[in-house]
Amino acid sequence: AQSVTQPDIHITVSEGASLELRCNYSYGATPYLFWYVQSPGQGLQLLLKYFSGDTLVQGIKGFEAEFKRSQSSFNLRKPSVHWSDAAEYFCAVGALQAAGNKLTFGGGTRVLVKP
Amino acid sequence: NAGVMQNPRHLVRRRGQEARLRCSPMKGHSHVYWYRQLPEEGLKFMVYLQKENIIDESGMPKERFSAEFPKEGPSILRIQQVVRGDSAAYFCASSPPEGGTQYFGPGTRLLVL
Repeated sequence: AQSVTQPDIHITVSEGASLELRCNYSYGATPYLFWYVQSPGQGLQLLLKYFSGDTLVQGIKGFEAEFKRSQSSFNLRKPSVHWSDAAEYFCAVGALQAAGNKLTFGGGTRVLVKP
Repeated sequence: NAGVMQNPRHLVRRRGQEARLRCSPMKGHSHVYWYRQLPEEGLKFMVYLQKENIIDESGMPKERFSAEFPKEGPSILRIQQVVRGDSAAYFCASSPPEGGTQYFGPGTRLLVL
């Protein structure tokens, strides 16, 4: 069965500092990986996704993620955090390009940004 | 192109009542997914539907919960005889016919008193 682990429940970072959110997955086939962001009381917004090809993926809002098959990881990074990045971040895995690819989500990492 | 629409955004029900949650997918999308987010948890898959068909309901509770996606109109998630444990945010997502990225709606936050 597929699973996603986000080891950090909360992360506090100063504005302007770098941010890295960890994501480890377990999946029997080629994974289809996503990062979503959820602001309080809001829905999920897609930050970026990985299907295949270049293992460093660029997303919106200055985020990037790197797929490392050997480590079963898909960590999210941002070089310089803005106050508006305070939110909850979810990593998810699904079947590669399959219709009906239900997603399995991690438990989320809540990011707090200090001024 | 409007995104995934869900209504109502907030729903309050008393124990034993019925809750109906509606989801209109993005234009051109024929796949609909429902997920539930319990407080302080991640999203959990409930059901995957195409028009007039339930494809995968492996995440649906066996009782009181049902879903449909009729030929015309939105997808409906129905919860009968709600209990306090049903209080959660329910998210709908849609994807195009060939599969791929799921786009999420704003969610319906259900509170059972």
